[in-house]
Amino acid sequence: DAGVTQSPTHLIKTRGQHVTLRCSPISGHKSVSWYQQVLGQGPQFIFQYYEKEERGRGNFPDRFSARQFPNYSSELNVNALLLGDSALYLCASSYEQGPYEQYFGPGTRLTVT
Amino acid sequence: GNSVTQMEGPVTLSEEAFLTINCTYTATGYPSLFWYVQYPGEGLQLLLKATKADDKGSNKGFEATYRKETTSFHLEKGSVQVSDSAVYFCALNRNTGNQFYFGTGTSLTVIP
Repeated sequence: DAGVTQSPTHLIKTRGQHVTLRCSPISGHKSVSWYQQVLGQGPQFIFQYYEKEERGRGNFPDRFSARQFPNYSSELNVNALLLGDSALYLCASSYEQGPYEQYFGPGTRLTVT
Repeated sequence: GNSVTQMEGPVTLSEEAFLTINCTYTATGYPSLFWYVQYPGEGLQLLLKATKADDKGSNKGFEATYRKETTSFHLEKGSVQVSDSAVYFCALNRNTGNQFYFGTGTSLTVIP
């Protein structure tokens, strides 16, 4: 079975621009979470979606938004990009909510210049 | 609040040496605890987990025991290999949702 896939792999944007990152979970997984990993740090939780509804939100500004589609894939949107948004954005899926194993994708490397 | 503190790296060991990476946590309630590993250029992979006090998680020669009295979940391996070179993350989940709290990671390099 295919693992979690994310696109694009790398992205370079300019301050003030908008970006959309995409994630396809493992087949049958209903929960998708997004994390931001700044270089040298651990992943920081941004959002969790389960059955197309937002079920959790981390301490990130309103410039960050996300949604989950009927096929359980997900998009993360970031508006008005700042230099500090440069990071690896990780998507993780799991079958259900709760402390179940999360399967991580390879991430999207976003560079804001 | 909820947080995870890991020993700072980087850690460099010779092949077949004993490994310990310390992890302590702060959490409300009774969390589940995890170790994830990130190989260069790859996403995070679950290494092992423990869901209640005194549980021992183990995988690929790595072990960690959930110690509620010391709020710790230290990772150990008796004999490391070059292929174990990676960044190791300790994490907790409060069992009330899907949010994981990660430590800052410990980079391990094993030299032949």
